[in-house]
Amino acid sequence: DSGVTQTPKHLITATGQRVTLRCSPRSGDLSVYWYQQSLDQGLQFLIHYYNGEERAKGNILERFSAQQFPDLHSELNLSSLELGDSALYFCASSPKMGGAEQYFGPGTRLTVT
Amino acid sequence: GENVEQHPSTLSVQEGDSAVIKCTYSDSASNYFPWYKQELGKRPQLIIDIRSNVGEKKDQRIAVTLNKTAKHFSLHITETQPEDSAVYFCAASRDTGGFKTIFGAGTRLFVKA
Repeated sequence: DSGVTQTPKHLITATGQRVTLRCSPRSGDLSVYWYQQSLDQGLQFLIHYYNGEERAKGNILERFSAQQFPDLHSELNLSSLELGDSALYFCASSPKMGGAEQYFGPGTRLTVT
Repeated sequence: GENVEQHPSTLSVQEGDSAVIKCTYSDSASNYFPWYKQELGKRPQLIIDIRSNVGEKKDQRIAVTLNKTAKHFSLHITETQPEDSAVYFCAASRDTGGFKTIFGAGTRLFVKA
């Protein structure tokens, strides 16, 4: 157990819908990263927050947005969902702003039908 | 943009043999290079990392080497065991001026008993 929690574990929804994925980092970690992992694919970096502020953006679609709240938990919002958005979404937390080990949560498996 | 290339995509070895996975990064400012292991259906977990001020690091059967000039780093696993079978990801990141973590596409390692 990494100490990072993600909810829900599974999510099944229809095209065009909007969902919110939630991540609680390890106690004391200020950085939260979001990744998308499609079937048998690598980890695509989406976005990074540190202490409530966005620090880096990857190939995140405009339909996706995220935020980190004062209690350091983070939410990833996915809207106008398409079939291709079906994937495993991981968040990871880290004690530093960059250049340090990331602790991954168990992931949220999103299925868009 | 930043990129990390990882080879091979699949590697099959006999138990007891060595396995080598190679990565090349493009961002010369990268200074932290972790390796993650992801077992089927599980979260990625850090197995070893190296910083740019070090050329080699070893932890029991696992070692990582870094060639900053060539922007190349490698994972070496000796005396492989069936439980080493997993997907291995390399990554490159920096701790200043932009905090993306870019992952390689992954190497699926099979260790045959």
